[in-house]
Amino acid sequence: EAGVVQSPRYKIIEKKQPVAFWCNPISGHNTLYWYRQNLGQGPELLIRYENEEAVDDSQLPKDRFSAERLKGVDSTLKIQPAELGDSAVYLCASSPGATKNIQYFGAGTRLSVL
Amino acid sequence: GDSVTQMEGPVTLSEEAFLTINCTYTATGYPSLFWYVQYPGEGLQLLLKATKADDKGSNKGFEATYRKETTSFHLEKGSVQVSDSAVYFCALHNTDKLIFGTGTRLQVFP
Repeated sequence: EAGVVQSPRYKIIEKKQPVAFWCNPISGHNTLYWYRQNLGQGPELLIRYENEEAVDDSQLPKDRFSAERLKGVDSTLKIQPAELGDSAVYLCASSPGATKNIQYFGAGTRLSVL
Repeated sequence: GDSVTQMEGPVTLSEEAFLTINCTYTATGYPSLFWYVQYPGEGLQLLLKATKADDKGSNKGFEATYRKETTSFHLEKGSVQVSDSAVYFCALHNTDKLIFGTGTRLQVFP
């Protein structure tokens, strides 16, 4: 079974540029999460989707971050414009609807903003 | 709010040494507890879990016991290997949120 797939693995951009990350969850997983992991820290939730509905986006900085999960499968997280403090690893995770407490993580996208 | 506190790393051990990584938590209600491991260049992988008090989770020689009286979930392994070198994250799941500690880096030398 394929795991959670994220792309790109690495991204280097200059500040004020836009950037987008893509995630393909495990087949059949209804719940999808985006996390941000700063250097030396644990992941912190940005947004959670149940199918195509964002049910928890309280930690998403909505002035510059946006996300979508069209058709309830793949998801895209966008930052526009990026700031120096956005440098981090962005992780996507998914879980089956019935057991949300077990989340399966992708390898992440490491973003460097110069 | 809910939180997880882990011992700071790095933890440096020789191969076959005994490992303990401390984890304590603060939470309302009855959270589930987890240990995740992150190998270099990879995503987080679930190592073990426990869903209620006194449960013991175990996997690959690692184990941890859910201690409600001390709000702890310490990770142990009797004999570490070089291949165990990674960052270990303690986490709790409560009210649909997974909350992580800051992670503890383990370095095992031959």
